[in-house]
Amino acid sequence: DTAVSQTPKYLVTQMGNDKSIKCEQNLGHDTMYWYKQDSKKFLKIMFSYNNKELIINETVPNRFSPKSPDKAHLNLHINSLELGDSAVYFCASSLGQGSGNTEAFFGQGTRLTVV
Amino acid sequence: AQSVAQPEDQVNVAEGNPLTVKCTYSVSGNPYLFWYVQYPNRGLQFLLKYITGDNLVKGSYGFEAEFNKSQTSFHLKKPSALVSDSALYFCAVRDMDTGGFKTIFGAGTRLFVKA
Repeated sequence: DTAVSQTPKYLVTQMGNDKSIKCEQNLGHDTMYWYKQDSKKFLKIMFSYNNKELIINETVPNRFSPKSPDKAHLNLHINSLELGDSAVYFCASSLGQGSGNTEAFFGQGTRLTVV
Repeated sequence: AQSVAQPEDQVNVAEGNPLTVKCTYSVSGNPYLFWYVQYPNRGLQFLLKYITGDNLVKGSYGFEAEFNKSQTSFHLKKPSALVSDSALYFCAVRDMDTGGFKTIFGAGTRLFVKA
């Protein structure tokens, strides 16, 4: 069983469209994240959720709206896509985040290409 | 603010030779340090972490890392490199200023192991 799964794996869309990426984890973790990896492989956190509550919003444009219907799911909806949104988006999860000592488990990534 | 630096974009090593991938950190308080590896078109995989205790930490696939508080370093090492170790390696620190809900990644170091 895949621990953290994201769908779709690839997403090609036109500027101005709205798209969603789904993420599910079956590890029983209480904290989930979205990360963005740009073309130079820099990895930056976008959002962090703990028990379905938004904890970190790392100055992400309002066009990005995460939603966590339950602890096992964290979806990402993007409105009015722009060329600069092209990147690989990773979902991740971890347990007991507040203590700081737990590692994250990452999904395979969603490669978003905006044309 | 917490940060990590990986001073080398790329490390080249011959198979069978020891390898070192460098990481330095800057934190306020106790550091929670991690190493992750990313293979092409894959998500990040956890290798090892330093939370407290022994300065030499052992992890997956024969990797280890040495925590050096005086030099604020956390270098990744392996006694004998394999071609299959070729990948992108990220050092990371847990940002405890935000309650541990954010992990800050270095820029990554690409490791090439030549047969």
